[in-house]
Amino acid sequence: QSALTQPASVSGSPGQSITISCTGTSSDVGGYNYVSWYQQHPGKAPKLMIYEVSNRPSGVSNRFSGSKSGNTASLTISGLQAEDEADYYCSSYASSSSVVFGGGTKLTVL
Amino acid sequence: QITLKESGPTLVKPTQTLTLTCTFSGFSLSTSGVGVGWIRQPPGKALEWLALIYWDDDKRYSPSLKSRLTITKDTSKNQVVLTMTNMDPVDTATYYCAHVRDGYNPAAFDIWGQGTMVTVSS
Repeated sequence: QSALTQPASVSGSPGQSITISCTGTSSDVGGYNYVSWYQQHPGKAPKLMIYEVSNRPSGVSNRFSGSKSGNTASLTISGLQAEDEADYYCSSYASSSSVVFGGGTKLTVL
Repeated sequence: QITLKESGPTLVKPTQTLTLTCTFSGFSLSTSGVGVGWIRQPPGKALEWLALIYWDDDKRYSPSLKSRLTITKDTSKNQVVLTMTNMDPVDTATYYCAHVRDGYNPAAFDIWGQGTMVTVSS
C-alpha cells in the first residue's frame, strides 16, 4: 500500500483558482468514491474539507470543490484567499480494508 | 458537540511499547455506524493512517504496521486505546485520534483531537 501522489507544492495569487491532484491506483482512488481532502494549518489538526470525492461538510466554503477521473482525484480552490495557505492532504479507502493518505501539498498564496 | 483528546507518554525508549488513549465525548461507540481512527504525522512529514475501530468491534489496521498495532475500545469509559509495540525513533510523531464521519466511509474523519507528540529516544 503506497501513499497517494500529490504535488509537493502549488501556488496562486489571491482571487485565482488552483487545483491539487491526488493520484492513486484502481485499488484505492480509482476503485472507490471514498476520497477525502483535508486542510492543515501549521501546528493544527487536519480539517475535513471534502468527503466522498465532492461533498462538503457543513461550514466548509463552497470555494472548495472536489472531483475524480479514473485514478486521479482533484481539489479545486476558487477565489484564493490568504487564509487558504496551508497543507492539503487527500485520502482514500483502499481495497486492503484500510485507508491511505497522500504525501501532502503545500499551498502558497502569493 | 463531538470532542476527542489523546493522552499518553511524551517520551518512550526504543523497543518499548507505546500505549495511547483517546477519550471522547459527544457520541457513543456503541451506536451503529460509529468509528474512531488513529493517524500519525512525523515532524514535517505527511499524515499516515494507523488503525480504526467500529461500534461493532470491527478493527482495521495499516498493512505495513499491522503486526505492531492493537486497537481496542472501552465503551463504558468512552475511550479507544492504541498500542504499538517495538517502538523505534522513526515512530516519533504527533499521534491523532479522529471520529469517522460515516461508518461506511472510513476515509472521512470529520472531527480530530488536538494530537499528542511522542518522541522515541534512549
